[in-house]
Amino acid sequence: DSGVTQTPKHLITATGQRVTLRCSPRSGDLSVYWYQQSLDQGLQFLIQYYNGEERAKGNILERFSAQQFPDLHSELNLSSLELGDSALYFCASSAYSGPGDGYTFGSGTRLTVV
Amino acid sequence: DQQVKQNSPSLSVQEGRISILNCDYTNSMFDYFLWYKKYPAEGPTFLISISSIKDKNEDGRFTVFLNKSAKHLSLHIVPSQPGDSAVYFCAASEGQNFVFGPGTRLSVLP
Repeated sequence: DSGVTQTPKHLITATGQRVTLRCSPRSGDLSVYWYQQSLDQGLQFLIQYYNGEERAKGNILERFSAQQFPDLHSELNLSSLELGDSALYFCASSAYSGPGDGYTFGSGTRLTVV
Repeated sequence: DQQVKQNSPSLSVQEGRISILNCDYTNSMFDYFLWYKKYPAEGPTFLISISSIKDKNEDGRFTVFLNKSAKHLSLHIVPSQPGDSAVYFCAASEGQNFVFGPGTRLSVLP
């Protein structure tokens, strides 16, 4: 157990729908990062929050949004889902706002859009 | 346009031998590099990192080498063990943004 909790572990939904992925960071970590891993692809950085504020944005689609709440958990909202959104979505957390000794990743949410 | 490349999708090594995983990058502004290991059904796990001011960092059986002029880094695992079989991701950062490579699947054969 890495200390980063992601729910749900698996999600199957239809095209056009909206889903919410949840992440609870490791205790004490202020930064949360979201990554997408599609089939045979590397980890694509989506967005970072630090202590409730958006800190960095990567290749995140306009249909996707995220937020970090006062208790530091984060949610990634995916809307108007397309087949190509099927992927593993990872959340990671760290204690710092920049690169340090690496992130701690959760075990991911596997999203399947049918 | 991949800024971080791992040109070998897979690598097989005999147990006890050395495993060498390679990573190339294009952005000369990257100043921090990390390696992650990922087992199936688990998230990536941080393995080892190196700052751009160093050319080598060692942690037990794992050593990362950085050649800034060639924009190349490598991860050496000596000796390789069957439990090292996993997907290894190279990552590079400039400030807040981490860029991951596509990964190399290492198989250590008993």
